[in-house]
Amino acid sequence: GENVEQHPSTLSVQEGDSAVIKCTYSDSASNYFPWYKQELGKRPQLIIDIRSNVGEKKDQRIAVTLNKTAKHFSLHITETQPEDSAVYFCAASVSYGKLTFGQGTILTVHP
Amino acid sequence: GAVVSQHPSRVICKSGTSVKIECRSLDFQATTMFWYRQFPKKSLMLMATSNEGSKATYEQGVEKDKFLINHASLTLSTLTVTSAHPEDSSFYICSAFPADGSRMEQYFGPGTRLTVT
Repeated sequence: GENVEQHPSTLSVQEGDSAVIKCTYSDSASNYFPWYKQELGKRPQLIIDIRSNVGEKKDQRIAVTLNKTAKHFSLHITETQPEDSAVYFCAASVSYGKLTFGQGTILTVHP
Repeated sequence: GAVVSQHPSRVICKSGTSVKIECRSLDFQATTMFWYRQFPKKSLMLMATSNEGSKATYEQGVEKDKFLINHASLTLSTLTVTSAHPEDSSFYICSAFPADGSRMEQYFGPGTRLTVT
């Protein structure tokens, strides 16, 4: 089955800096890669996603890149703000199938 | 956007009792729903895939007789934790796919915090 590895497990940045979180996946059939932000006790919130036919996608301060050959994808957050502090999860799935999540990254943005 | 609800949001039960958690898609039909479990400070782990009108598909290591899943309609899936024990205490989250297959995105419920005493 699919295995998703996520790094780093914790990330601390100063407000205004950029944050990068990286994930690798094992199943070459995976074609959908969402990123979620989860606050304590809340549901995961989709912040951006990318499909395998695209190499990069951007939405304001958030961008995701995908390297299908290397089987890795990354989340980039620019101009970080304290409200960006949360746990971030990457995930991978095949079409409309089940999601396999990474281990999560605790992002802390210091004012 | 699509809305998924869960009920109850929190439940405390005694060891040995059973607890039912409901997952509803409020404004769309879902042929497939997923049930996840999340321990504190851990990731979401898929427990099972719930298919409307058929038996659920359980992930390896998940006891199907302990975690009963029923998906009787296109808007409702239920997870029953039978003979609950303290180690079953966790955050249970469901997600749903629109049945029309228009999107790859799963819509998550708000989660149910189960505490077994």
